[in-house]
Amino acid sequence: AQRVTQPEKLLSVFKGAPVELKCNYSYSGSPELFWYVQYSRQRLQLLLRHISRESIKGFTADLNKGETSFHLKKPFAQEEDSAMYYCALITGGTSYGKLTFGQGTILTVHP
Amino acid sequence: DTAVSQTPKYLVTQMGNDKSIKCEQNLGHDTMYWYKQDSKKFLKIMFSYNNKELIINETVPNRFSPKSPDKAHLNLHINSLELGDSAVYFCASSLSGSPDTQYFGPGTRLTVL
Repeated sequence: AQRVTQPEKLLSVFKGAPVELKCNYSYSGSPELFWYVQYSRQRLQLLLRHISRESIKGFTADLNKGETSFHLKKPFAQEEDSAMYYCALITGGTSYGKLTFGQGTILTVHP
Repeated sequence: DTAVSQTPKYLVTQMGNDKSIKCEQNLGHDTMYWYKQDSKKFLKIMFSYNNKELIINETVPNRFSPKSPDKAHLNLHINSLELGDSAVYFCASSLSGSPDTQYFGPGTRLTVL
């Protein structure tokens, strides 16, 4: 069965420090992975997906099939990055497939 | 303009009651979803509809019944509410089921006393 694991429930860093939010997955098929973010009092929104290989708000994530990981990284954290981050895996196809979410990581960036 | 709206935003009710949460989207999407976020912030899909047809139905008690009168609306009716139903329920919509276009609603916080 598919599973997404985010081992850190809480992560605290200081402004300007590098940050890495860990995500590991378990899936027998070809994975398509996403990071979603929920800022305080805002709705959950898509941050980035592995297929696009783009950097959004300074964040990047690389799919490592050998380690079955999709860690989210940013070299210099900002206070406005404080939010809940979810890693998600789509199964059953990219159309009408099912998103399976990890447990979420609450990132706090201190001034 | 609100893209995905849910009513009510907060719902407090007694065990055993029946309640409904409504969801509407004005994005022209054809797929809608219900997710449950529990007290530990774990987010899990419950249902998905495409053009009023059920396409994802996770292991959810049959006290939960989604209804889609048209592709812009997906309501969630819950019978005989239990304490464990307390959670935040998120509606979402997307175009052709693509997660790239998935847009979440603001959530409905349900508290069962």
